[in-house]
Amino acid sequence: AQTVTQSQPEMSVQEAETVTLSCTYDTSESDYYLFWYKQPPSRQMILVIRQEAYKQQNATENRFSVNFQKAAKSFSLKISDSQLGDAAMYFCGMSGGATNKLIFGTGTLLAVQP
Amino acid sequence: KAGVTQTPRYLIKTRGQQVTLSCSPISGHRSVSWYQQTPGQGLQFLFEYFSETQRNKGNFPGRFSGRQFSNSRSEMNVSTLELGDSALYLCASSSWTSGRSRVTGELFFGEGSRLTVL
Repeated sequence: AQTVTQSQPEMSVQEAETVTLSCTYDTSESDYYLFWYKQPPSRQMILVIRQEAYKQQNATENRFSVNFQKAAKSFSLKISDSQLGDAAMYFCGMSGGATNKLIFGTGTLLAVQP
Repeated sequence: KAGVTQTPRYLIKTRGQQVTLSCSPISGHRSVSWYQQTPGQGLQFLFEYFSETQRNKGNFPGRFSGRQFSNSRSEMNVSTLELGDSALYLCASSSWTSGRSRVTGELFFGEGSRLTVL
């Protein structure tokens, strides 16, 4: 069975600083995607960043980057130059195989202090 | 282009009743999946539909059912509601097609339907 674990229920960061959200996973699939989704308060979830497991290079999207450690089954999200609009619940997740069944972690609530 | 639309946004039901939630995917998306979000259990996969066929189903009782129409719109139904069914129900669509061997994991979510069971 696939599992995703986020051990930080809440995090806080000062505006313009950098924060790292942790995520570990477990799967028997050899081909899978990992991703981070953001859910702002009362807003819809949106994809922040995505990593294909077979790619060794870490994905980056502007201020967002990941540290993908495949052997350790770790997939952390780094947010640089944090902005007030980054405040949200962040979900780590994975999918495997030819299905859109996504397995999510329990989420990390990120607060950004001005 | 319009995003994923879910109706109704909020609803209140009593135990034993049934509810039907609707989801209109992004135009051109044929894959629709449903998730239940609760504070205690987080986000849990309910089911996925593609071209009117259920492709995958999560670990929920048979009271939870769904369907997809030829225009890709989807509905989910919960019968004999229980207090524990109170949740935010999220619909997501994707551009995945049967011709692709792998999915990209990019889902486009709606704002959800918040169900309260009293």
